[in-house]
Amino acid sequence: AQSVAQPEDQVNVAEGNPLTVKCTYSVSGNPYLFWYVQYPNRGLQFLLKYITGDNLVKGSYGFEAEFNKSQTSFHLKKPSALVSDSALYFCAVRDEGDKIIFGKGTRLHILP
Amino acid sequence: DGGITQSPKYLFRKEGQNVTLSCEQNLNHDAMYWYRQDPGQGLRLIYYSQIVNDFQKGDIAEGYSVSREKKESFPLTVTSAQKNPTAFYLCASSMGGRVNTEAFFGQGTRLTVV
Repeated sequence: AQSVAQPEDQVNVAEGNPLTVKCTYSVSGNPYLFWYVQYPNRGLQFLLKYITGDNLVKGSYGFEAEFNKSQTSFHLKKPSALVSDSALYFCAVRDEGDKIIFGKGTRLHILP
Repeated sequence: DGGITQSPKYLFRKEGQNVTLSCEQNLNHDAMYWYRQDPGQGLRLIYYSQIVNDFQKGDIAEGYSVSREKKESFPLTVTSAQKNPTAFYLCASSMGGRVNTEAFFGQGTRLTVV
């Protein structure tokens, strides 16, 4: 069965600094990986997804993610953080039977 | 205006009552999902459906039931057997059979047992 792990409950970054939110995965076949963001009392919004063959994926709002097959990781990154990036971030994996499993989420605080 | 709609936004239930949460989508998606969100536990999958008249249990299906009589609709019933139903419930939909496509989420229903 597939799974994802987000090892950090919270990440604090100063505005203007680079940020990384970590995600590792476990799948039996090819990984289909996604990042979503959630603002308070709202649904999730799609940020980006892994495309086979591209180790660096670019997404919405200046976010990107780095895929590393040997480390089974798909870390979310942004070169320069904004206060408005503060939110809850989820990593997810989808299997070929359409089942989508999410990590526990990482709360990102960008400090002004 | 395409999207996925959950209703109501807030729902209060007395202990021992069943309640049904609505989820409708007009995105022509085959796959639909229900998740429960609790603080510190992320999103946990309750049920999902790939096609009409078919659905599969997720990781925490006990105390919940669903139906998928129409492609557009995937209602979730929280039964009295669910011991701790107070949570934020999220519905999602996605293209079915295409693993590299993202899910679209509704705005959620916050259920409180009173």
